[in-house]
Amino acid sequence: GESVGLHLPTLSVQEGDNSIINCAYSNSASDYFIWYKQESGKGPQFIIDIRSNMDKRQGQRVTVLLNKTVKHLSLQIAATQPGDSAVYFCAENYGGATNKLIFGTGTLLAVQP
Amino acid sequence: NAGVTQTPKFQVLKTGQSMTLQCAQDMNHEYMSWYRQDPGMGLRLIHYSVGAGITDQGEVPNGYNVSRSTTEDFPLRLLSAAPSQTSVYFCASSYPGMNTEAFFGQGTRLTVV
Repeated sequence: GESVGLHLPTLSVQEGDNSIINCAYSNSASDYFIWYKQESGKGPQFIIDIRSNMDKRQGQRVTVLLNKTVKHLSLQIAATQPGDSAVYFCAENYGGATNKLIFGTGTLLAVQP
Repeated sequence: NAGVTQTPKFQVLKTGQSMTLQCAQDMNHEYMSWYRQDPGMGLRLIHYSVGAGITDQGEVPNGYNVSRSTTEDFPLRLLSAAPSQTSVYFCASSYPGMNTEAFFGQGTRLTVV
């Protein structure tokens, strides 16, 4: 099927290396941020989230960093594996209690064996 | 658990035709939403609902109607399809309240010719 990765920024890494995917968000009032992973032909899948009162959160092999001063998010993936190949989106909650999300344009992560 | 189920997976319409994209969730989520995804872009919110009988517009609502008669179902209607509505459509659901994880369906790929 058609790839959602067309025309997207691409990050190419070697298997086993660490990956860092960056995202700039738009609304300084957003208080919740999420990283999603989207594999070809599938819907976005939640990876990790962070609230605006935090600057770092760690999960299994993933870490999200939040810099509110410059409105910047990053997703770090440790020991990148071929199964990590996908498009990664950051999203910000701009709707407060209604959970309306604004998505970034996405980054295609290509893991080379 | 089925999670969020979208039907159909693929659809081709002629300009001017109408159709309904179906979305059902079995997680008793009050919040449901529809997004569209175009190549090289993030998901954009079309319509959302915070509960049965309550719907509201998102970022790109023109050309689409929604209704929410039950907690489980949130259909998206195209009354008169246009080529600009060629896209991949995703339905999502979440628990109510701020900052809760959204679960996405597998998507419906719609082509309008």
